[in-house]
Amino acid sequence: EVQLVESGGGLVQPGRSLKLSCAASGFTFSNYGMAWVRQAPTKGLEWVATISYDGSSTYYRDSVKGRFTISRDNAKSTLYLQMDSLRSEDTATYYCARRGAGYNFDYWGQGVMVTVSS
Amino acid sequence: DIVLTQSPATLSVTPGESVSLSCRASQGISTSIHWYQQKSNESPRLLIKYASQSISGIPSRFSGSGSGTDFTLSINRVESEDFSVYYCQQSYSLPLTFGSGTKLEIK
Repeated sequence: EVQLVESGGGLVQPGRSLKLSCAASGFTFSNYGMAWVRQAPTKGLEWVATISYDGSSTYYRDSVKGRFTISRDNAKSTLYLQMDSLRSEDTATYYCARRGAGYNFDYWGQGVMVTVSS
Repeated sequence: DIVLTQSPATLSVTPGESVSLSCRASQGISTSIHWYQQKSNESPRLLIKYASQSISGIPSRFSGSGSGTDFTLSINRVESEDFSVYYCQQSYSLPLTFGSGTKLEIK
């Protein structure tokens, strides 16, 4: 059974940093691209970043480019999102998702809440 | 960026009715559209990929159609467990974008 378990969320002040992790199991992690998708309170879904199966390619939405870094450790079957210079508008539930064939998301974690506030 | 416009924002139906949810893209995207269901306080679930391709484990009452700019998610005879929010997502170009969602509620 595919499982994605996020951790590392919490309350952080504007301008500070936070690192999210996503532990994967139930599939060969190194064979799949992965992504982070977020959802602000009561809002819709927003793609944040994607990384290729081997980590060689990364893609970001413009609003997080230069502030967020997606990475992975295939030996540990873990996906990461390093979030620097956080802003109030980054407040959201962050989902780890497996990239399916093409650029859809076929499995999702349960999500982790990040609140940016002073 | 490709904008996806979903309509209606809210759809009120009685269990047993059949419904169609619309997703319109701001430019042609072939069949690069995917549909998700998100129940309250849960993670999204992939329902349909590439406009009309079924997903293993998803009930057959869910189907998709369309190409170019206009896409439809159809639910044949809505069941109580189907009342949730539905999102479309395009994978034609980066940034990947989602529609704003259609909430399916009980009438």
